[in-house]
Amino acid sequence: EPEVTQTPSHQVTQMGQEVILRCVPISNHLYFYWYRQILGQKVEFLVSFYNNEISEKSEIFDDQFSVERPDGSNFTLKIRSTKLEDSAMYFCASRSGGYTFGSGTRLTVV
Amino acid sequence: GIQVEQSPPDLILQEGANSTLRCNFSDSVNNLQWFHQNPWGQLINLFYIPSGTKQNGRLSATTVATERYSLLYISSSQTTDSGVYFCAVVRMDSSYKLIFGSGTRLLVRP
Repeated sequence: EPEVTQTPSHQVTQMGQEVILRCVPISNHLYFYWYRQILGQKVEFLVSFYNNEISEKSEIFDDQFSVERPDGSNFTLKIRSTKLEDSAMYFCASRSGGYTFGSGTRLTVV
Repeated sequence: GIQVEQSPPDLILQEGANSTLRCNFSDSVNNLQWFHQNPWGQLINLFYIPSGTKQNGRLSATTVATERYSLLYISSSQTTDSGVYFCAVVRMDSSYKLIFGSGTRLLVRP
């Protein structure tokens, strides 16, 4: 069964540093998403991406966040200057009909 | 915005028991999915079920879109069923972003 692949699985970074989370969506999917889940809480929408541009973003997705599809297969989420409250599990997903989620990147900001 | 409520919030079962998890939503939806989040944090897609009934092994799900609820049935529960079960919906007028409920935390004891 096709998978959405995310790397790294865990990342620890110092406050103020930039991080890039990487995702390889399912190859024939056209819609891509990032979600995040703060420990013990529900999963929240961050951003949707279609046709090489953002189609919708949440209020969480402020100027410190950006997304890119640099080479037609990878889909990245960049957090420019991390804060303690950015610590969370970040999920990439792609969609054709129903969603398929990646295994997540657990980001810890110290 | 649309509200997604899941019940019960917590459930403890003895191995072999059956259970029903419920998801209520406050507005018309295009899609509904059930996910299982395992103890490693992975989100596993169980059902893509905007309406009707589907079965997959010991799990089945029913969505009654006109009455704005969905049910997930787990029969003959196993310890590997432990984790958090999330219901997530897509609004009729959205960019197809998923809106998650708060989940049902299930513990199956041997």
